[in-house]
Amino acid sequence: DIQMTQSPSSLSASVGDRVIITCQASQDIRDCLNWYQQKPGKAPKLLIYDASNLQTGVPSRFSGSGSGTHFTFTISSLQPEDIATYYCQQYDNLPYTFGQGTKMEIK
Amino acid sequence: EVHLVESGGGLVQPGGSLRLSCAASGFSFSRYWMHWVRQAPGKGLEWVSRMNNDGSTTNYADSVRGRFAISRDNAKSTLYLETNSLRVDDTAVYYCAKSACSGVNCYLDAFDKWGQGTAVTVSS
Repeated sequence: DIQMTQSPSSLSASVGDRVIITCQASQDIRDCLNWYQQKPGKAPKLLIYDASNLQTGVPSRFSGSGSGTHFTFTISSLQPEDIATYYCQQYDNLPYTFGQGTKMEIK
Repeated sequence: EVHLVESGGGLVQPGGSLRLSCAASGFSFSRYWMHWVRQAPGKGLEWVSRMNNDGSTTNYADSVRGRFAISRDNAKSTLYLETNSLRVDDTAVYYCAKSACSGVNCYLDAFDKWGQGTAVTVSS
């Protein structure tokens, strides 16, 4: 199975900060990488697909980049409503696998 | 608007069975692959299974293969997950998720819509 390693596992930042989450794949997954946001008690929501494409309706402060084994997810200006856990997920090989999650908190 | 509503969860003893359902609306259900994803209490997300649009292709995580069975009824726009020989570590919220893939083959995939989940608790 492809292992997805996210860092950091938790992140505390101020409103307006630029925040970056990284996701490392245990093998080359090309650009087969998605990012999800999960707010407490809610289902996950797709934010970024194919490493860098913004899902329809998602604010432009969210972005993704990378290919191969190293990927980044960026929030350009953190907002209070961005408090959530964020997950990367690969679909290059079955079984699809997720990173362990990054819990975002506001300072 | 896409709407996915799971049902069928509950409390079951180890070794028991449950049939989970996911009623879909707001899109052409018969065109899209569908997935089940689960989340144990306080833990991360785990992909469980997927099925293509016409039911001819199914895939499973190793942790559930041989115990769980995914199926669909396109006439009823409903996805199912038959869970058998349940273990304590199957305790989780089970989500159905719509795939971005349509048609018989799937190349670029994402879980682009999710239901609210149904909770399965396996305990004696």
